[in-house]
Amino acid sequence: SQKIEQNSEALNIQEGKTATLTCNYTNYSPAYLQWYRQDPGRGPVFLLLIRENEKEKRKERLKVTFDTTLKQSLFHITASQPADSATYLCALDSPSNSGYALNFGKGTSLLVTP
Amino acid sequence: EPEVTQTPSHQVTQMGQEVILRCVPISNHLYFYWYRQILGQKVEFLVSFYNNEISEKSEIFDDQFSVERPDGSNFTLKIRSTKLEDSAMYFCASSASSGSPGEQYFGPGTRLTVT
Repeated sequence: SQKIEQNSEALNIQEGKTATLTCNYTNYSPAYLQWYRQDPGRGPVFLLLIRENEKEKRKERLKVTFDTTLKQSLFHITASQPADSATYLCALDSPSNSGYALNFGKGTSLLVTP
Repeated sequence: EPEVTQTPSHQVTQMGQEVILRCVPISNHLYFYWYRQILGQKVEFLVSFYNNEISEKSEIFDDQFSVERPDGSNFTLKIRSTKLEDSAMYFCASSASSGSPGEQYFGPGTRLTVT
């Protein structure tokens, strides 16, 4: 069955540094991959979508790469700020892709300290 | 900026009771979804809805669950006979894409507590 793995350990970094989060997946070839941010007790917030034929996508301080050979996506936040502290979720489209369901990873918690 | 809204924010119910969770998706969106998140676990897909019918559902979405779009704005999730394990945060989402994937916009969630 499709499996999505994200770093289970929290990532602690200093303000101004680049945070890099990893998403690995198995047993599937997704058409696209998305990254969401989730704050405690809140709903996920869409950040970026990258398609299978795209290697990299950027939006302001965010950068996503998608390597379909390695079955891996990397999510980078440059010049990180304490306000970036949150849980970041990787999501793939479902194998059936008939209803655009998203399969989420468990997320990686990021803490940016001043 | 348009957003997805959900009511109530918190619902407490006794085991065996029926609950209806309500959502107002973004007005020009075409796809609607329900997800749940049990405390400390990942966000899990329940059901997607398009053109007034279910387009996909997960194994979690059994006969105890149903969805409805009773009018042009509301989208509801009904749990017919709640169980303790239904306690979770329920998120409604909507997306604008038709025929191609797109980002989903999530509501703030309804925390369901079954006692």
